Order: sequence, then structure tokens, then C-alpha cells
Amino acid sequence: NAGVTQTPKFQVLKTGQSMTLQCAQDMNHEYMSWYRQDPGMGLRLIHYSVGAGITDQGEVPNGYNVSRSTTEDFPLRLLSAAPSQTSVYFCASSPSGSGGYNEQFFGPGTRLTVL
Amino acid sequence: GNSVTQMEGPVTLSEEAFLTINCTYTATGYPSLFWYVQYPGEGLQLLLKATKADDKGSNKGFEATYRKETTSFHLEKGSVQVSDSAVYFCALSVNNFNKFYFGSGTKLNVKP
Repeated sequence: NAGVTQTPKFQVLKTGQSMTLQCAQDMNHEYMSWYRQDPGMGLRLIHYSVGAGITDQGEVPNGYNVSRSTTEDFPLRLLSAAPSQTSVYFCASSPSGSGGYNEQFFGPGTRLTVL
Repeated sequence: GNSVTQMEGPVTLSEEAFLTINCTYTATGYPSLFWYVQYPGEGLQLLLKATKADDKGSNKGFEATYRKETTSFHLEKGSVQVSDSAVYFCALSVNNFNKFYFGSGTKLNVKP
């Protein structure tokens, strides 16, 4: 199993550009989520999904879109990048059933810089 | 609301020293508590967890006890190693949901 994979590892954008951060998992997990990690602020939840076709907003959803067409993939879209979106982005997945008792498996992260 | 507060770092210790990283929480429902560790350049990994009051989670020499009366989940290790240098995150989920709330992280530096 590859676990949770994220691409790209690094990205530099100009203000106003759009891009998609890719996330995939091969563990058949129903729950997937996106976090951003900023210095001194820990991880903050952007969007999450409890299964294919179902997504919901987290703590800091503005400026980001998600969709979940398959169990495996959960891409994060930045429609018009802003310098405030400079951060490290982590995707995570966990199995359903036992809910919050379950371990979240994290990807290696994408470091995004918006100039 | 739901939130986690953990001690600010960095924490710098000598090898074989005793480690405590404090974590307290507020929760609107019934929480499960977790410690995650992040090594340089990597994603987070689960270190240990506790799902009900008075449970003790343990792994790799680390321990934390879920204290409902003090709303705390402090991380301890009796003798740290250089390889324990990392950032440690306390986290909670509430009412058995998969939505997690993370603390700001505590960086641990262990010197030989």
C-alpha cells in the first residue's frame, strides 16, 4: 500500500493563479480531509468528506473548493491564489465505522508559496 | 466550542531527560484524545490515543492519561532520545466524529 499520496510536493504560484492539489489513498478509507499548517497555529481543517459525493466545510474553507467523485481521490482546488494561502497542506484519510476513534493517516504534504 | 491548547515550544532537553508536554482541551461533547508526531519533512503520525476518561495511551515509551476532571492529556516520556526530536501535536475529536481539532504543536529538541 502506498498509503496517502500528495502531489506536487512543492509549488510556487502567482497571485490570481489557480491550481489543484492532488490527494489519493489506496486504503479504501471513506473519510478524507484537507488541513493547512501554519507556524504557531497547528493544523486547521479546510474541507472534509465522509464518502464519495459528500463534502463539507471545515474551519477555514474560504478560497478553496473540493469534490469527491471516487473513494480514492480528494483534490483541493485554489481558484484564485492569494498570498494568505501560502502554507503547507496536508491530506489525511481514516476508515469510517468507529468515527473519531480512528487514526488519521496523513500524506507527506504540499508546500505552497503564493507570490 | 472545541479546542486544544498545548504548551509552547521549543522544548530543549538533554538525552535521557524526562519529558512532559502539557495539553488541555475544551469540548462540547464527549472527546477522544490523540497525540500525533511530525518528524522533519514528513506528515503527521499517530503516536497514541485514549478514547474514554482515565484511559492511558502508550507507545514507544510515551504515555498520556485522559483526565476528565482536569480536561488534560499531558504527554510524558521517562527518558528521551535524540531520535525523539520532532513536533508533537495534541488533538481531539468529539462525539465519535471524524472531525479533528489540533493544538498548535510543540517542537522538541533533544541534544546528545
